[in-house]
Amino acid sequence: SQQGEEDPQALSIQEGENATMNCSYKTSINNLQWYRQNSGRGLVHLILIRSNEREKHSGRLRVTLDTSKKSSSLLITASRAADTASYFCATDRRGSEKLVFGKGTKLTVNP
Amino acid sequence: DGGITQSPKYLFRKEGQNVTLSCEQNLNHDAMYWYRQDPGQGLRLIYYSQIVNDFQKGDIAEGYSVSREKKESFPLTVTSAQKNPTAFYLCASSIRPPKISTDTQYFGPGTRLTVL
Repeated sequence: SQQGEEDPQALSIQEGENATMNCSYKTSINNLQWYRQNSGRGLVHLILIRSNEREKHSGRLRVTLDTSKKSSSLLITASRAADTASYFCATDRRGSEKLVFGKGTKLTVNP
Repeated sequence: DGGITQSPKYLFRKEGQNVTLSCEQNLNHDAMYWYRQDPGQGLRLIYYSQIVNDFQKGDIAEGYSVSREKKESFPLTVTSAQKNPTAFYLCASSIRPPKISTDTQYFGPGTRLTVL
């Protein structure tokens, strides 16, 4: 079963707007990561947040983690057309050696 | 230039044939991984290796085989036993083995395999 589930499945916004994507998971985790994938390409790591952290920033990215609700959100501020991509969350369950990816949110930023 | 490379970018296979996908990294990473991605889906783990000469099955290992004879290389063979092999295959690596810590994974550009 999917450990990480992103929503929405697809999001279309205008350049300059903010984009928020959510990820929910089922079991306790050590950390949660967000990755980006341009169409037909490999994944690129964006940010890692540990289970004892609540918020993390990297440039225009802001990630929050709520372990009580087993959820995370990725906020991209002042979006650009170049942010158009699919975004995946990935979690590692405690006691597991595997990183489990969700199905992703496909973001389209219209110029 | 450090990185992880995969070849070929596109691969076509006839039914009943085995085919091997290449993955090489010069990042000096201990761990390497193979994932399969189907359209509109997330990544599913096929095999992973934490150290040379060792590898473990992931969630969908049936019909696939791997080897890890060198730290830099982790080739994946898609055998004729894999019933639905058409997919996008991604190789990744991480600094430390996942049994020690779950690190950032660095991905190659992928190989798109099509069975004719």
